Parts: sequence; C-alpha cells; structure tokens
Amino acid sequence: GAGVSQSPSNKVTEKGKDVELRCDPISGHTALYWYRQSLGQGLEFLIYFQGNSAPDKSGLPSDRFSAERTGGSVSTLTIQRTQQEDSAVYLCASSLAWGAAQPQHFGDGTRLSIL
Amino acid sequence: KNEVEQSPQNLTAQEGEFITINCSYSVGISALHWLQQHPGGGIVSLFMLSSGKKKHGRLIATINIQEKHSSLHITASHPRDSAVYICAVEPYNTDKLIFGTGTRLQVFP
Repeated sequence: GAGVSQSPSNKVTEKGKDVELRCDPISGHTALYWYRQSLGQGLEFLIYFQGNSAPDKSGLPSDRFSAERTGGSVSTLTIQRTQQEDSAVYLCASSLAWGAAQPQHFGDGTRLSIL
Repeated sequence: KNEVEQSPQNLTAQEGEFITINCSYSVGISALHWLQQHPGGGIVSLFMLSSGKKKHGRLIATINIQEKHSSLHITASHPRDSAVYICAVEPYNTDKLIFGTGTRLQVFP
C-alpha cells in the first residue's frame, strides 16, 4: 500500500490479556517508530528500529511491552498482561532513513481499550 | 518543564483570520516537525525544517535556531483547518521525536 498500515484499527480486551499490534511501514522505509497517545495526553515515544541496528527501547514504559521487526519490514508491538492504563492509541510511523532528519509518515493508529 | 512547549493550548478563530501557533524547545535539535492531527486521529506531517522558513499553500513555518523557537502560521483560515497542531523536535544524534502537547484549533465559519 501507499501508506503506513496498522492493524487492528480497534482492539478491546480484558485486563490481564496479551495483545499484539501490527505495523506495516511504507516499502523501502528503513526507520520505524512506535508512539502512544493516551486520552488527553500528548504523543509519547515508545521504541524505534533503525535498519539492522539494535532498537532504541528507551521509551517502553515497562517490561510488559516489547516489539520486534522481522525482516526489516513489518513490526509487532506486544503488550503482556494488559492493564487499564495501557488504554491508548498506539501509532506507528516510518521514515526513509535515519542519521539525517526525515519526515515521518504515520499510520492511523490502533485504539486499544482495556476493560 | 517540558522540553517542547506550545502555545496557545486552545485557539478559536473566525474563518479568514490569520493564525499563529508557537513552539519553544530547550534541547539542541537537528530538525523540527509540525504535524496535524484531525478528529479521528490520523496524523499528517506538515513541515520538517531545520532553518529559515517553509511555505506550503496557506501554511507557513518558521524556525529560529538561536532562539529555539518555531511558529506555524495559517493564512486565510478555514473550518477545514480545525485540528490539533503538534510541534515535535528531533534532538541531535537521535531520530526519535519529542512532542509538544499540541494546540487545538477550531475555525468557525
């Protein structure tokens, strides 16, 4: 597709369950970012992948959060043992390269609701 | 104190008015981004700049690196400009963005 694709667009789950969110970046984009936007809050950096280098995980809020990027393309963000404070919109973005400022292209996000 | 501060937080305008949104930051940066988020959540990158001024249609973005300040201007505002405008900076030696809390703009006909 032409843009960053995220799935699912909405996810409702019970507290304590694990969830997986998927991001399919723009083809050829080597940098991929995950952000979180809680209700009424600004955007918060979670993790980013740059090519084949080790990801920058400095924004992950707890060890219940993890992410991987397979084959340098699709990424999944996994939240284990979800808590109500995990409810937020999770946004993925990709950019053409790293090491030089590049515009980031955002997906439409996954709205996660923890009951 | 947040590393990126935007003002105002909320802004209402009549159609046709000239709009200015301000962004101040406290870290050294390689670039500053202006983003637009419409109701429904989609985010669009409007500008990325590291010096001077950029213009796209009715939108103008300026940055003063020495003063660590940027402005986003909208000329001849229109109701379809109603959205949240977000300033984000890219600190030196990193590609991750630090975001301001956004300015919610409502333009009334």
